[in-house]
Amino acid sequence: QKEVEQNSGPLSVPEGAIASLNCTYSDRVSQSFFWYRQYSGKSPELIMSIYSNGDKEDGRFTAQLNKASQYVSLLIRDSQPSDSATYLCAVLDPNDYKLSFGAGTTVTVRA
Amino acid sequence: EADIYQTPRYLVIGTGKKITLECSQTMGHDKMYWYQQDPGMELHLIHYSYGVNSTEKGDLSSESTVSRIRTEHFPLTLESARPSHTSQYLCASSGQVSNSPLHFGNGTRLTVT
Repeated sequence: QKEVEQNSGPLSVPEGAIASLNCTYSDRVSQSFFWYRQYSGKSPELIMSIYSNGDKEDGRFTAQLNKASQYVSLLIRDSQPSDSATYLCAVLDPNDYKLSFGAGTTVTVRA
Repeated sequence: EADIYQTPRYLVIGTGKKITLECSQTMGHDKMYWYQQDPGMELHLIHYSYGVNSTEKGDLSSESTVSRIRTEHFPLTLESARPSHTSQYLCASSGQVSNSPLHFGNGTRLTVT
């Protein structure tokens, strides 16, 4: 089974700060990476997709991918209390289209 | 916006009953998935499908079964529910492009008493 490891939480940041989330994966053939946000009791919601090395920015979110290091990260700038959730890193297996999820990192933004 | 629907949203049922959790999507997606998630725990893939008449078992062994007779419909069935089946069941789908992300339904929270 493909492994996806996320930095252990919970992560507590003050409002307005940057939250930094990290993820490593074991399967070198993976080419597609996703970050999902999951509020307590809700289903995962896609917030970022990244397929190429480098940075991808979308609003206050920036995803970073380094395939050589098998590492993908998510930065949340100007963190808001509404960003308090569990963030799931997901890696797509191109051979069988199965998405493997990390255990998630719970972020709490302190007002 | 993904259009994927799960019913019921909540279900409380007694041990031994047969249940079917419904999942439908209106996007014409070929790939569909069922995940199981206990509160505060990881998502585990239990079934997936590449298209009509295709069903595969996921990484987590499950006593449930699935069918895919129509593109838009991917129901999950438990023949005899047990308390150990208590969990949240999440259905997802993804499009024809090979690296498409998954879009999730709202989930069914199942409690077996």
